Amino acid sequence: GDSVTQMEGPVTLSEEAFLTINCTYTATGYPSLFWYVQYPGEGLQLLLKATKADDKGSNKGFEATYRKETTSFHLEKGSVQVSDSAVYFCALSPTDSWGKLQFGAGTQVVVTP
Amino acid sequence: EAGVTQFPSHSVIEKGQTVTLRCDPISGHDNLYWYRRVMGKEIKFLLHFVKESKQDESGMPNNRFLAERTGGTYSTLKVQPAELEDSGVYFCASSQARHRSSYNSPLHFGNGTRLTVT
Repeated sequence: GDSVTQMEGPVTLSEEAFLTINCTYTATGYPSLFWYVQYPGEGLQLLLKATKADDKGSNKGFEATYRKETTSFHLEKGSVQVSDSAVYFCALSPTDSWGKLQFGAGTQVVVTP
Repeated sequence: EAGVTQFPSHSVIEKGQTVTLRCDPISGHDNLYWYRRVMGKEIKFLLHFVKESKQDESGMPNNRFLAERTGGTYSTLKVQPAELEDSGVYFCASSQARHRSSYNSPLHFGNGTRLTVT
């Protein structure tokens, strides 16, 4: 079945550092890919998405490119802030089951001043 | 607009007791989903309602879990009797449309209910 694997955390880095969170997936067909973020005490928020190969999703300085050849959707941000401290979830939506998301385990990111 | 609201935010119960979680989706959203995150693991799909009908309940772990959405508005998820392994965070999400082309209508998640079974 479909699955998502993302790097384990926690990831601790200093403000203004470069952030990469790796995410790879296994799926049949052409899934849509997402990054969700959960800030402390809040629910999941959609950070960015990509619906087809080579699409680049971007939001709040974060980017991720849908790479079908490597089945990856790595999240990157060039200069993180303390306010980016959160748990980040990579997820896919199967071709025929929009809304039935398959999530990765989540990666906690801690940004220190 | 108001977001997805879940009640309670936290619940601590003893093994064998019953707990009912509630989700109020965004007004007008026909699709409602329940998900669960067991400690440190991935968030897992439980079930999907379209209005008042269960569209997909393939993720429900066992018959101790009962979800309802009477009238197609709010939904409840009852766990009876609760077991230790039911502890986790239960998320509800809603969306306006289901079609692939409607990717501008992503899932909107609530803050979750943290359930602890002791």
